[in-house]
Amino acid sequence: QSVLTQPPSASGTPGQRVTISCSATNSNIGTNPVTWYQQLPGTAPTLLIYSNNQRPSGVPDRFSASKSGTSASLAISGLHSEDEADYYCAAWDDSLNGPGVVFGGGTKLTVL
Amino acid sequence: EVQLVQSGAEVKKPGESLKISCEGSGYSFAFYWIGWVRQMPGKGLEWMGIFYPGDSGTRYSPAFQGHVTFSGDKSISTAYLHWSSLKASDTAIYYCARSYTPNGHMDVWGQGTTVTVSS
Repeated sequence: QSVLTQPPSASGTPGQRVTISCSATNSNIGTNPVTWYQQLPGTAPTLLIYSNNQRPSGVPDRFSASKSGTSASLAISGLHSEDEADYYCAAWDDSLNGPGVVFGGGTKLTVL
Repeated sequence: EVQLVQSGAEVKKPGESLKISCEGSGYSFAFYWIGWVRQMPGKGLEWMGIFYPGDSGTRYSPAFQGHVTFSGDKSISTAYLHWSSLKASDTAIYYCARSYTPNGHMDVWGQGTTVTVSS
């Protein structure tokens, strides 16, 4: 069971703005930066956002993210058909049960 | 170009052993952690643990501790994920990914290795 909760699905039409939420159930995670990964159909995940809101080079500025307390969100503005993918949030969980990276369950974004 | 290239798909029987590889290029392999991530069919991503080629340091997720082993050979820029006795439930795609710190983001990912375990 993920300690990062994401909605299983989201959708939008081309040009729209969509947001995907990521909520932490463990306060330990709330102190660590959130990462977002994009997984296009049939491909490996790629880094989309790191350190809560930083875009790696090559990621369009249509993608943005924020974090407040134990919640984070990813926003995609000016939706493109090629944005249809699974999106995962992730963070380091330094709980005593075993520190490690935890992933959200993933959100499947459909571009209608 | 920085890249991680993983070994090809494997089909194994329950109880067999397996070692898959992840070869890095375009960067100083010894100085970045290599994380391993499992994706079971139709499911999400699961962090298995992380390996540091510089000193062969490892950290395992409790969910995978004792069932898999991480290793590597920095002289050939390659990390390995090893099972001594596979189960049908190990059927999944396994990804390796680079991270500058053990608790940091994974910025470069391999293409994935599909492992199928079936009798």
